[in-house]
Amino acid sequence: GAGVSQSPSNKVTEKGKDVELRCDPISGHTALYWYRQSLGQGLEFLIYFQGNSAPDKSGLPSDRFSAERTGGSVSTLTIQRTQQEDSAVYLCASSNGGDRGWYFGPGTRLTVL
Amino acid sequence: ILNVEQSPQSLHVQEGDSTNFTCSFPSSNFYALHWYRWETAKSPEALFVMTLNGDEKKKGRISATLNTKEGYSYLYIKGSQPEDSATYLCAPRQAGTALIFGKGTTLSVSS
Repeated sequence: GAGVSQSPSNKVTEKGKDVELRCDPISGHTALYWYRQSLGQGLEFLIYFQGNSAPDKSGLPSDRFSAERTGGSVSTLTIQRTQQEDSAVYLCASSNGGDRGWYFGPGTRLTVL
Repeated sequence: ILNVEQSPQSLHVQEGDSTNFTCSFPSSNFYALHWYRWETAKSPEALFVMTLNGDEKKKGRISATLNTKEGYSYLYIKGSQPEDSATYLCAPRQAGTALIFGKGTTLSVSS
């Protein structure tokens, strides 16, 4: 497809387990972003990849969170030792690096029991 | 991290009413401002991207203005329809950074 895809769409896990969330950006987009929306909150910035530059990790809430982007395309957000406060919708977006053509994926709803 | 404020937090109007929302942000180091519309169970959809002070954008019944000197943007919806019901998000950014979103204004339009 032509859009941003994310998998899984829903993930239920037990507290303390690790989870991996995947984002497939639009082909050719150099920039990739992760956000999350917790219940009652706005969209919270997590991490930003731009080309081959070092990612901007300033939004990651703790060292349990990490992300990588392989080959300048697919990205994986990993949450280690999940906590209940990690429950949220995790959204990925990609762009051509400027302000035109930002596209969001459908999100992954993470529930930590 | 930028402090982005949107008001009101939520709004309920009748079909046909016109309405507007406010987004305020730090004016220093401003680069661009995005408006998004986010319907339940869907991905956020881009409405406008504005970069210049005094910019005005229009898309159908929806329009937006930008004041970068004082750090605010207005989104207007003329003649609201039930299908306009959604959360409207604004997101400014500084050069080289990601968008920082406000908490949004949730609009509900009754027929």
